[in-house]
Amino acid sequence: QKEVEQDPGPLSVPEGAIVSLNCTYSNSAFQYFMWYRQYSRKGPELLMYTYSSGNKEDGRFTAQVDKSSKYISLFIRDSQPSDSATYLCAMSRGPDTGRRALTFGSGTRLQVQP
Amino acid sequence: GAGVSQTPSNKVTEKGKYVELRCDPISGHTALYWYRQSLGQGPEFLIYFQGTGAADDSGLPNDRFFAVRPEGSVSTLKIQRTERGDSAVYLCASSLAGGGNTIYFGEGSWLTVV
Repeated sequence: QKEVEQDPGPLSVPEGAIVSLNCTYSNSAFQYFMWYRQYSRKGPELLMYTYSSGNKEDGRFTAQVDKSSKYISLFIRDSQPSDSATYLCAMSRGPDTGRRALTFGSGTRLQVQP
Repeated sequence: GAGVSQTPSNKVTEKGKYVELRCDPISGHTALYWYRQSLGQGPEFLIYFQGTGAADDSGLPNDRFFAVRPEGSVSTLKIQRTERGDSAVYLCASSLAGGGNTIYFGEGSWLTVV
């Protein structure tokens, strides 16, 4: 079983919809949680970075972490065709040397239809 | 350039050959990471440098893989006796020193072993 599980999709939504992307994890040592966006044949780009449980909002994006359930979410409001990409969750055990390696989910492919 | 630069962008090699992949991080970034991403999967951690030294090489799959960063800037990932299973995108990333800093990824080197 993988440490981080993510539904691969594809997830297809109409423009303007609210998108919900999720990951579950098994390692309770994870403390830092991230969401990356990856366009085709490009490197991952950091969208959101959160520490421990709670919510964080940035424009149309909201990240939620529930450590008790080992469950993280990314919500995208007013989705746009330009949001069409693969979304990767990632997490690490901490900022210190030896704990910084990121463990990624397999990614969810999102398609926003105009 | 402003971003993480990786060369070559594409490499096709025969099984058993030796391959070198190069990464030029963002200027001033002392932390450098190598990840490997197979088709339909998230990136998988290989090795992390802080300056010239490998701070965490726990992700290297076996002794055919080796990475160096002799002057604390450019890094080279070396793969000996390549196998078809080594075919993947090799992603390099860099960040400022210390935990909690944004990790910036390059566009990757696409390696195909035939």
